[in-house]
Amino acid sequence: QSALTQPASVSGSPGQSITISCAGTSSDIGGYNYVSWYQHHPDKAPRLMMYGVSNRPSGISNRFSGSKSGNTASLTISGLLAEDEADYYCYSYTSTTAYVFGTGTKVTVL
Amino acid sequence: QVHLLESGPGLTKPSGTLSLTCTVSGDSTGNVHWWNWVRQPPGKGLEWIGEVHHSGTSNYSPSFKSRVTMSVDMSKNQMSLSLRSVTAADTAVYYCATSVSYRIDLWGRGTLVIVSS
Repeated sequence: QSALTQPASVSGSPGQSITISCAGTSSDIGGYNYVSWYQHHPDKAPRLMMYGVSNRPSGISNRFSGSKSGNTASLTISGLLAEDEADYYCYSYTSTTAYVFGTGTKVTVL
Repeated sequence: QVHLLESGPGLTKPSGTLSLTCTVSGDSTGNVHWWNWVRQPPGKGLEWIGEVHHSGTSNYSPSFKSRVTMSVDMSKNQMSLSLRSVTAADTAVYYCATSVSYRIDLWGRGTLVIVSS
């Protein structure tokens, strides 16, 4: 099972919106609504930002939203803030190997 | 609130066995059902290694299946990872994490393990 495919980097100015894509297959993203997203700042524990494709955990800003179309999931960050600068990973259940992470996307706030 | 703490040797020799322990503390530890290990090699992304249920059932990534064992000791609120035949490519920060309903919901701070002679 190869990692899910994410863009290596995405950038935006403060206040703008950005979208991070996560491409998989019908065995993972396309077959189940079990996609979650994690924010990872250096030297910190990753943080759950979205689960079940589009559900925000308690305490996560509504500037974060998730969606899915076919075999691709997306995380959108609206009203970009400096504190959003981090690495982001998608994660999905898969029928072949249980679970798999995406390749990771570095978000830069210009 | 539940807290996770990884512990174990920070240095392991090539061809040896990497052994780590994850200790859970805090309220509602009885609600932890699935325990996971995830790692991040230097400069690379997150890799899911596997999960173990408190009943002992486990699922491993094919990338590690031939050389990994995970187990749970609920009497000690601990979960362990054993990774055999390690090489320099196994150098990474190893995270303990809990999961529920197909998502990882809580992570430890991680522990760096270096494989070197």
